[in-house]
Amino acid sequence: DSGVTQTPKHLITATGQRVTLRCSPRSGDLSVYWYQQSLDQGLQFLIQYYNGEERAKGNILERFSAQQFPDLHSELNLSSLELGDSALYFCASSPGRRTGYTFGSGTRLTVV
Amino acid sequence: GEDVEQSLFLSVREGDSSVINCTYTDSSSTYLYWYKQEPGAGLQLLTYIFSNMDMKQDQRLTVLLNKKDKHLSLRIADTQTGDSAIYFCAESMSNAGNMLTFGGGTRLMVKP
Repeated sequence: DSGVTQTPKHLITATGQRVTLRCSPRSGDLSVYWYQQSLDQGLQFLIQYYNGEERAKGNILERFSAQQFPDLHSELNLSSLELGDSALYFCASSPGRRTGYTFGSGTRLTVV
Repeated sequence: GEDVEQSLFLSVREGDSSVINCTYTDSSSTYLYWYKQEPGAGLQLLTYIFSNMDMKQDQRLTVLLNKKDKHLSLRIADTQTGDSAIYFCAESMSNAGNMLTFGGGTRLMVKP
């Protein structure tokens, strides 16, 4: 157990739907990062939050949004889902220093 | 720009050494990381090196950094079947907060 908890582990949904992925960071970590892992694109950085505020944004689609709550857990909202959104979505956390991230075990999203 | 490249596949025999290579393009990289991903799991941080170092050793793992050639390698001594996984290198740039850019991953297969 890495200390980063992601729920749900698996999600199957239809095109056009909206889903919410949840992440609880490791205790004491203020930064949360979201990554998408797909076979053709590899690991793509989506967005980072630090202590509740957006810190950096990567290749995140406008249909996707995220937030970090006062208790530091984060949610990634994916809407108007398309088949191509099927991927593994990872959350990672860090204390804010350059010592690397701790990853959760991911949420596998399948859009049918 | 930022681009991290790795070879796709490496096969070794149990007990041999494995060397996984990575090239990056951004000279402002400050920290470079190696992560391991086993099937169905998240990414596990193995080790990292600061850009002013040439080498770092941690038990069976040796990281070599050639900053002039922007080349990073991970050597695993006495490779075991449990080392079979996908290995990702990643760079963190000084002007991008703590955001990591990952390579495409190298699948290591260890044959008994």
